[in-house]
Amino acid sequence: GAVVSQHPSWVICKSGTSVKIECRSLDFQATTMFWYRQFPKQSLMLMATSNEGSKATYEQGVEKDKFLINHASLTLSTLTVTSAHPEDSSFYICSARGQGRGTSTNEQFFGPGTRLTVL
Amino acid sequence: QKEVEQNSGPLSVPEGAIASLNCTYSDRGSQSFFWYRQYSGKSPELIMSIYSNGDKEDGRFTAQLNKASQYVSLLIRDSQPSDSATYLCAVNEIGYQKVTFGTGTKLQVIP
Repeated sequence: GAVVSQHPSWVICKSGTSVKIECRSLDFQATTMFWYRQFPKQSLMLMATSNEGSKATYEQGVEKDKFLINHASLTLSTLTVTSAHPEDSSFYICSARGQGRGTSTNEQFFGPGTRLTVL
Repeated sequence: QKEVEQNSGPLSVPEGAIASLNCTYSDRGSQSFFWYRQYSGKSPELIMSIYSNGDKEDGRFTAQLNKASQYVSLLIRDSQPSDSATYLCAVNEIGYQKVTFGTGTKLQVIP
């Protein structure tokens, strides 16, 4: 249990376009989802926390109008990178925490990540 | 500010040896502790969670928690080359949604 999927696994886009990344909890209800970004050889950086049906809480320095997060259901959250630029190229990883078989109260389970390259 | 400290390594151990990974945290209110493994280019994978003082064993992995010393460790017995990865310590305080991650310790198991 406790499987989180992400789609797409990688994406290449032109500068100025928008990219949507989906994160799904496959066998449990994700009451909370987190979005991280990781640059090569660097630590995970939390971008935002989202609860189902609520607005996301963004970390300091993360532009909420650029990184749009929607958590419309207990199994799906999306991250849209709007007007992407080369400096947005990174590894985007979601994680989910919730209730269901194979989960414990505070455990976070990560999706496989999405590698974004902006040309 | 909540902090989780780990030695960045690399920690090199020979195959078959015990690898010991350490983590300290600053917030005494922390209640949940996690170890994740992250292979290069991949996302983190949960290995162990521990909530009370003492040891918790799962296969070749043992997590140790000492809340008085604000210290949590991960022991890997019979280390294998496939254990070579970065190990992330994570800490959560009850009532807070966010988990604070350490920067990770890179482990290299030498065949």
